[in-house]
Amino acid sequence: EPEVTQTPSHQVTQMGQEVILRCVPISNHLYFYWYRQILGQKVEFLVSFYNNEISEKSEIFDDQFSVERPDGSNFTLKIRSTKLEDSAMYFCASSPTGTGSYLNEQFFGPGTRLTVL
Amino acid sequence: EDKVVQSPLSLVVHEGDTVTLNCSYEVTNFRSLLWYKQEKKAPTFLFMLTSSGIEKKSGRLSSILDKKELSSILNITATQTGDSAIYLCAVEAETSYDKVIFGPGTSLSVIP
Repeated sequence: EPEVTQTPSHQVTQMGQEVILRCVPISNHLYFYWYRQILGQKVEFLVSFYNNEISEKSEIFDDQFSVERPDGSNFTLKIRSTKLEDSAMYFCASSPTGTGSYLNEQFFGPGTRLTVL
Repeated sequence: EDKVVQSPLSLVVHEGDTVTLNCSYEVTNFRSLLWYKQEKKAPTFLFMLTSSGIEKKSGRLSSILDKKELSSILNITATQTGDSAIYLCAVEAETSYDKVIFGPGTSLSVIP
């Protein structure tokens, strides 16, 4: 069964460093998402991406965040200068259609745990 | 501001019990409500509800939406230890295209 994959599973970095979190969405999916979940808190939407551009972003997704689909398979989240409060589990998700479609189901990857020291 | 609230936040039951988890929302131009189960890591999709009063069922799990009350319930009958997880409710709103707002989740523990 096709699945969303994410690498690495755990990343530890120093404050101020740049990190790139990688995701490989399901191959025929068109919509891609990043979410984060701070330990013990709720899942928060960061950004959605369609047709090689951001279609929606939350207030969390500020200038230090960026997303890219550098080739036909990868979808990356870059955090330019990490802060302590960026420590969280980051989930990538993909869906064959966008929100509002009766067929929309977002498939989540296993997550990358980011720890900023 | 769009908001999703879940109750209870935490629940402990014995195997075989039936549980009802609640989700309520305040969003502009509601589009759909989603239930997810989150075990160790990533949420897995359970149900998508768009129409009021139509029950969706999958095995021992069922869910129904009440658009008048702006709420949904998720029922789990004959609970098993494998049902222990966080159950997340999320809402799609038309004012936020391609954005999904999650509730805080209900942490369910099923003990033998």
